[in-house]
Amino acid sequence: GAGVSQTPSNKVTEKGKYVELRCDPISGHTALYWYRQSLGQGPEFLIYFQGTGAADDSGLPNDRFFAVRPEGSVSTLKIQRTERGDSAVYLCASSARQGTDNEQFFGPGTRLTVL
Amino acid sequence: KQEVTQIPAALSVPEGENLVLNCSFTDSAIYNLQWFRQDPGKGLTSLLLIQSSQREQTSGRLNASLDKSSGRSTLYIAASQPGDSATYLCAVPNFGNEKLTFGTGTRLTIIP
Repeated sequence: GAGVSQTPSNKVTEKGKYVELRCDPISGHTALYWYRQSLGQGPEFLIYFQGTGAADDSGLPNDRFFAVRPEGSVSTLKIQRTERGDSAVYLCASSARQGTDNEQFFGPGTRLTVL
Repeated sequence: KQEVTQIPAALSVPEGENLVLNCSFTDSAIYNLQWFRQDPGKGLTSLLLIQSSQREQTSGRLNASLDKSSGRSTLYIAASQPGDSATYLCAVPNFGNEKLTFGTGTRLTIIP
């Protein structure tokens, strides 16, 4: 079946602009996660949705970052007033279960470059 | 705060050899441990998930072990092939939390 998809695959923007990154999870997966990966590092958690609500947004670095999942499926990560330090690969993951069985499946990522 | 460490950062071995990748974590109150593979410029592919009550999991030439009390996991790759070249990452969710804390990965190169 189809895996997690993310669009766009690459996004180049100028400092100060607004960007939206989209994630389509695996069909039927109730949980959706956003992570950010800088070069040479492991992914870092940003936000986690269970259904439509954000169950944990403790990883969002500041109030320029916001994410929504209005119908419990597709999610959009929104970054306002982008800064050069926001440049990274933004990864989305989804899972069907919680706790010990919570296997997360990742999309290919969106590479964001802020000039 | 959970910290995950993977040593070495890079490893090169000749094709056909068996090898072990290491992962350690500081807080043993975890739900499970997941191993991923990441090819350059790509997303993460889930390889194995070991639940906290399990000691090991196997998938083909891969075998992952978990010693929760000592905060360690190993990923054993048998009969390595050039196609195994990638970065391998381990990650854990702390008990009561679904978010993953990742190590920085081991970049594996299999020499033909």
